[in-house]
This record gives sequence, structure tokens and C-alpha cells, in this order.
Amino acid sequence: NAGVTQTPKFHILKIGQSMTLQCTQDMNHNYMYWYRQDPGMGLKLIYYSVGAGITDKGEVPNGYNVSRSTTEDFPLRLELAAPSQTSVYFCASSYAAGQSSGANVLTFGAGSRLTVL
Amino acid sequence: AQSVSQHNHHVILSEAASLELGCNYSYGGTVNLFWYVQYPGQHLQLLLKYFSGDPLVKGIKGFEAEFIKSKFSFNLRKPSVQWSDTAEYFCAVKASGYALNFGKGTSLLVTP
Repeated sequence: NAGVTQTPKFHILKIGQSMTLQCTQDMNHNYMYWYRQDPGMGLKLIYYSVGAGITDKGEVPNGYNVSRSTTEDFPLRLELAAPSQTSVYFCASSYAAGQSSGANVLTFGAGSRLTVL
Repeated sequence: AQSVSQHNHHVILSEAASLELGCNYSYGGTVNLFWYVQYPGQHLQLLLKYFSGDPLVKGIKGFEAEFIKSKFSFNLRKPSVQWSDTAEYFCAVKASGYALNFGKGTSLLVTP
């Protein structure tokens, strides 16, 4: 199994440009998440999805959009990129999200390092 | 506000020293607790987790953590660290809702 695959690994964007970070998982997980990681700040949730066609905002959704047309794919779109969006982006998935369930353990992708200049 | 606090942002230890990384949370009710590790250049990997039962949980590579409900704490420990333990360590809490809430991380450097 490939697990969670993110592309691209690295990318440089100019201010005002748009781009999509791709995320796909082959574990038939229902739940998918996008986090951003900034130095000294830990991981902050951008968006999440509980299944195909259902998405919801996390802690820091401004400047981003997501879609979930299939169980496998959960792309993150940056519209009008700003320097504040320079970060490392992690996609993750889990089979379930209920408490006290081993199925709610998150599996992470390798990350996408994005620089906005 | 609900939060996850990791007390140490940077820790430097010599090989064979003992390690304890603090984690406190402010969520009420039932929680699931996790420690994730991120080795240099790699993605986050699960180190250990607590759902219920024995509050002392053991994870991979000799790590363990103790859940103390009265103190809202889930500290990570290892009796003797190795150079290969150099990494960033994240405490995470699953309370209500769907996602994990992460602390800011602790960067551990183990010197030979």
C-alpha cells in the first residue's frame, strides 16, 4: 500500500498565483484532513472531510478551498497565494473519527513544502 | 480556550540520558491522546496512543507515556535516548469533533 501520497513535494509560487496540492489515499479511509505546519507552531487544521462530497473548515481555512469528489482524493487549492501561506502542508487520513477507536489514528503523507514569493 | 501545551520547545540531551517531555491539555470529557514523531525530513509517524485502560502506554522504540487524568497530562518518557531519537515530537488530543489537535512540538537533539 502506498498510504497517503502528496504531490508536489516542493513548489514555489508567486504572490497572487493559484495552485492545487494533491492528496490521495489508497486505504479506503473515510476521513481526510489538511494541516499546515509552521516552525514552532505545531500543526493547524485547515480543512477536513468526513466522506465524499462532505467537507468542513478547520482552524485556519482562509485562503484555501477543498473538494472531495471521491473517497481517495482530497485536493487543497490555494487561491491568490500570499507569503503567509508559505508552509509545509500535510495531508492525513483515518478510517474513522470516533473516540476510543483504533480506527481514528491518522496516517500522514510526506508533506508538500510551499514557498510563496 | 481548548489547547494542547508542550512545555519544552527545544531539548538537548546526551546519549543514554533519560527523557521526559511534558504535555498538558485543556479539553474536558473523554479524550484520546497521541504522541507523534517527525524524524528529520520525514513525515509524522505514530509513536504511541492512549484510548482507555492502563494509563501507562508503551509505544515503539522504547517510548512510553503516562496519562494522568487529574493533571490533564500525557507525558512522554524514555529511560535512555539514542542519537537516532533526534526528531520533533508532537502531542495530540482527540476530544469532540473529527480531527486531532496538536501541540506546538518539542525539538529533541541527542548528542553523541
